[in-house]
Amino acid sequence: SQQGEEDPQALSIQEGENATMNCSYKTSINNLQWYRQNSGRGLVHLILIRSNEREKHSGRLRVTLDTSKKSSSLLITASRAADTASYFCATGTSGSRLTFGEGTQLTVNP
Amino acid sequence: GAVVSQHPSWVICKSGTSVKIECRSLDFQATTMFWYRQFPKQSLMLMATSNEGSKATYEQGVEKDKFLINHASLTLSTLTVTSAHPEDSSFYICSARDRRGTGGDFEKLFFGSGTQLSVL
Repeated sequence: SQQGEEDPQALSIQEGENATMNCSYKTSINNLQWYRQNSGRGLVHLILIRSNEREKHSGRLRVTLDTSKKSSSLLITASRAADTASYFCATGTSGSRLTFGEGTQLTVNP
Repeated sequence: GAVVSQHPSWVICKSGTSVKIECRSLDFQATTMFWYRQFPKQSLMLMATSNEGSKATYEQGVEKDKFLINHASLTLSTLTVTSAHPEDSSFYICSARDRRGTGGDFEKLFFGSGTQLSVL
């Protein structure tokens, strides 16, 4: 069963706006990762945050993790049309498989 | 970065035939590869975990005799859908972990581009 639940399921914004996606999970984790998937393609790793970290940045991406609430958020700043894709969170424990959330479909309108 | 090549990208076959999908890590060795199935607008469903030189570990509900997985080397895993039927039509994706990774890098997965299987 999927541990991660993401919201919103779909998000449509204008180019230049910020996009925020949320992920909640149920069990203890070692790390949480975000992946991006363009339609009909494989997933691309975006960023990993460990359970002892609260915030991490990579370019226009900002990820937060709140282990007390078992939730994470992915913020994409100054969005571009090329950011249009599905975004998945994935939770993992050390050395084990990842469990993927249901995903958020982001559409950035030019 | 690490590259995973998945072939073919798409395949159309008649019901009853078998289809083999290959997943190769091009510039790294992968002790573990994962096979997923994905339906339109849905998440990835893990089918099995493939370890080099040993039998694959299948998830509950996945028929191991129908979805044959072979991981004969550190760079190649194959998924064979045997006696395919229309209900097997789906998007299949493989991923691999780089054995050289340490700490958080080891936890990252590198994905193939997926295979769209259509069974007529």
